[in-house]
Amino acid sequence: NAGVMQNPRHLVRRRGQEARLRCSPMKGHSHVYWYRQLPEEGLKFMVYLQKENIIDESGMPKERFSAEFPKEGPSILRIQQVVRGDSAAYFCASSDGLAGASDFLYEQYFGPGTRLTVT
Amino acid sequence: GIQVEQSPPDLILQEGANSTLRCNFSDSVNNLQWFHQNPWGQLINLFYIPSGTKQNGRLSATTVATERYSLLYISSSQTTDSGVYFCAVEPSNTGKLIFGQGTTLQVKP
Repeated sequence: NAGVMQNPRHLVRRRGQEARLRCSPMKGHSHVYWYRQLPEEGLKFMVYLQKENIIDESGMPKERFSAEFPKEGPSILRIQQVVRGDSAAYFCASSDGLAGASDFLYEQYFGPGTRLTVT
Repeated sequence: GIQVEQSPPDLILQEGANSTLRCNFSDSVNNLQWFHQNPWGQLINLFYIPSGTKQNGRLSATTVATERYSLLYISSSQTTDSGVYFCAVEPSNTGKLIFGQGTTLQVKP
């Protein structure tokens, strides 16, 4: 059973360019979460999506950042006009999202992350 | 919002030693997970443990939800256990995980 896939693993962008980060959830998972880990900081929640819906984007900066999880294809985190402060590791997680008898259904599994460097 | 505090922040052990990591949280939670972030940055699921006790090899975890804390036990530590251990909780029915600041563990040979 393939895990959560993220690409690219490393991304270098110049200030002002756009960054697109992709996440393919585990097979059968319909809930996707994005987190950001800034240097020397812990992980911070950004956005929670289900297929074609944004459930909670309370952790995402209001400007320049957007996320989607289309009916077909991976989830995309898009950062427009990147600045040096956007340099971080971006992690995607997925879950089945259904509270049920099995812990497995609700547990979040993380991808390997995309390390964004803005020069 | 909910606060998650982990202790100790840093821990150095000799190979073979045992340790206990603690996670306190300030409000009731739906879920609690422990992760190990290895030196390559990957987040490895250790336990999904909103309550009770679980064991997996040399690792075990206990969550006492009514007292709002969880403990991660590492026995007979190995150098490969080095890295950062994160506790993360999900406030009720929100879906999102709130992470503690982590415990950085270094196991020396």
